[in-house]
Parts: sequence; C-alpha cells; structure tokens
Amino acid sequence: NAGVTQTPKFQVLKTGQSMTLQCAQDMNHEYMSWYRQDPGMGLRLIHYSVGAGITDQGEVPNGYNVSRSTTEDFPLRLLSAAPSQTSVYFCASSFSTRGTGELFFGEGSRLTVL
Amino acid sequence: KNQVEQSPQSLIILEGKNCTLQCNYTVSPFSNLRWYKQDTGRGPVSLTIMTFSENTKSNGRYTATLDADTKQSSLHITASQLSDSASYICVVSPPLDSNYQLIWGAGTKLIIKP
Repeated sequence: NAGVTQTPKFQVLKTGQSMTLQCAQDMNHEYMSWYRQDPGMGLRLIHYSVGAGITDQGEVPNGYNVSRSTTEDFPLRLLSAAPSQTSVYFCASSFSTRGTGELFFGEGSRLTVL
Repeated sequence: KNQVEQSPQSLIILEGKNCTLQCNYTVSPFSNLRWYKQDTGRGPVSLTIMTFSENTKSNGRYTATLDADTKQSSLHITASQLSDSASYICVVSPPLDSNYQLIWGAGTKLIIKP
C-alpha cells in the first residue's frame, strides 16, 4: 500500500519556467490538497479538492493551478515559476471530505527557483 | 485572526528524559486539535487527534492534553529516544460549519542527544 506518492522529490527551475508536481494516492480518498512549507512558518494550503472534478483555492493559490480528473491524481502546476515559489511542497489526502479527518502526507517535493 | 502558536521554537534534551511541548490557539470553538510529527525531509505523520470535549489522548510514549478554558494544548514525550528527534506540529481544525481550513502552527524542533 503506497499511500500518497509525490514526484519529483527535487526540482530546480529557472524563473519563468513551468512544471507540474505529481501526486497520487491509492487509498480512495475523496479529499486531496497541496501545501507549501517554508522555514519558520506553518504549512499553508495552496489548493484542495473534495472529489473528482471539484477544486477550490486555499490560502496561497496565486501562481498555481490544479485539476482533479480522477480520484487518485491531483497534480499541481506552476505556470511561470518565481523565486518566491522556492519551497517544499506536500500533497495530502484524507477520507474526510472536509479534510478534518486524519491527513496522510506524501514525502514532499523540494523546489528551487533560480 | 485565528492563530496557533507553539513554544519553544526548538528544544534539546538528553535521551531518556521527558519533555513537554506547548501549543496556544485562538480558534474557538474547533472541531479537533491534532499533533503531527515531522521527521527531517519527510511529510508530517499524525500522532494524536482530540475533539473539543477530550482532555487527553495517548499514543505510546506521546500524550497530548487539552485545556479548552485556557486554549492550550501540550504534547508530553516520556522517556525520549533518539528517533523522537523531529519537528512537532500543532494543528487546529475549525468547526465543520465554517469555511476555514486547518490552522497550522510553525512547529517545535526537538533534538534528542545521546
């Protein structure tokens, strides 16, 4: 049982480039979300989804896009990378559609934007 | 503004000793309060989840307490082990009928020395 799988683990981008962080879960969870974690700060919610075809913005959505075509996958797209998007990104899923149940996290994707 | 503040920011203790980490929150009422453990370079893993009406919850050597009157929670670690070295994060989940997402503390970095 893989749980939540994120790829890539590390990525270096130049300013203005675009890329997609992949997230997949095999627990049949309806709720999936993307967070970023920066030093000295709590995790901040970027986007979330309560089921296939349904997405919504979190606290810091600017510069990121998401889609949810299947229950299993929830990719995060950076449209035009900026140095301020240098961070560690975590995907998380939950059996609770509000995300108020236990969250299961991936191992993280460390992104550096030069 | 709903906030979760943790103290201390960092803590160093000797292996075998006990320690207590603090979490102060302003969110009230709330659906549940959780503690997560995050090893370096890994995603957070749930330790305990307490509802508003619970005072204490244990998970092995980890015991979380909740005082709704003072809006404080503590995580007590007994007989610390080297593997307890990690960041510990307090998270508050607002009521189910609100539009707020989880509110994350910045974490306490715990280092266990042999």
